[in-house]
Amino acid sequence: KQEVTQIPAALSVPEGENLVLNCSFTDSAIYNLQWFRQDPGKGLTSLLLIQSSQREQTSGRLNASLDKSSGRSTLYIAASQPGDSATYLCAVRYQGAQKLVFGQGTRLTINP
Amino acid sequence: NAGVTQTPKFRVLKTGQSMTLLCAQDMNHEYMYWYRQDPGMGLRLIHYSVGEGTTAKGEVPDGYNVSRLKKQNFLLGLESAAPSQTSVYFCASSYSIPDQPQHFGDGTRLSIL
Repeated sequence: KQEVTQIPAALSVPEGENLVLNCSFTDSAIYNLQWFRQDPGKGLTSLLLIQSSQREQTSGRLNASLDKSSGRSTLYIAASQPGDSATYLCAVRYQGAQKLVFGQGTRLTINP
Repeated sequence: NAGVTQTPKFRVLKTGQSMTLLCAQDMNHEYMYWYRQDPGMGLRLIHYSVGEGTTAKGEVPDGYNVSRLKKQNFLLGLESAAPSQTSVYFCASSYSIPDQPQHFGDGTRLSIL
């Protein structure tokens, strides 16, 4: 079964720390992997999209990596800020599928 | 930049009532999707469309119908609402090329009493 797992479910860190969020997927045959941010009661904001042929993507303080062979992706957030507090979702588009398969998300809290 | 717009944002229904959720996108995307988000279940695909006049079932289609009469609009209908359909519904759209991202609306929070 094609699944996506995010561990931990929740993470709390002091402001200023660098941190890593993890995402694992069960099948290496993917088109791409997308990281989203979701604020409470809000929709999904796309942060980064990594194609299957890419190893990483960067946007500002965010860096996402992809290792298809091990079925893992990480989202690195540098110099975390309280405004980074949100739930971060990882989603995979497997080959041959129209839908995105989502992880359960990691709820991140940055403490001032 | 409107992107993906969902209407309404909130709704409370009684069991057995019907309603239609509207999704509109202004990015000329071919593909459109309806997901539902439930605690502990993540986001799951209900129905999707690969073009005007086409629809297909997703992961959890039962109890829902959809229509795509115009390229920019994708409607999700509940003919006879049930408490199990209490959820947050998200619409998304994308280009037809598989390596393009999906863009999401802000969601519709639906409660069925």
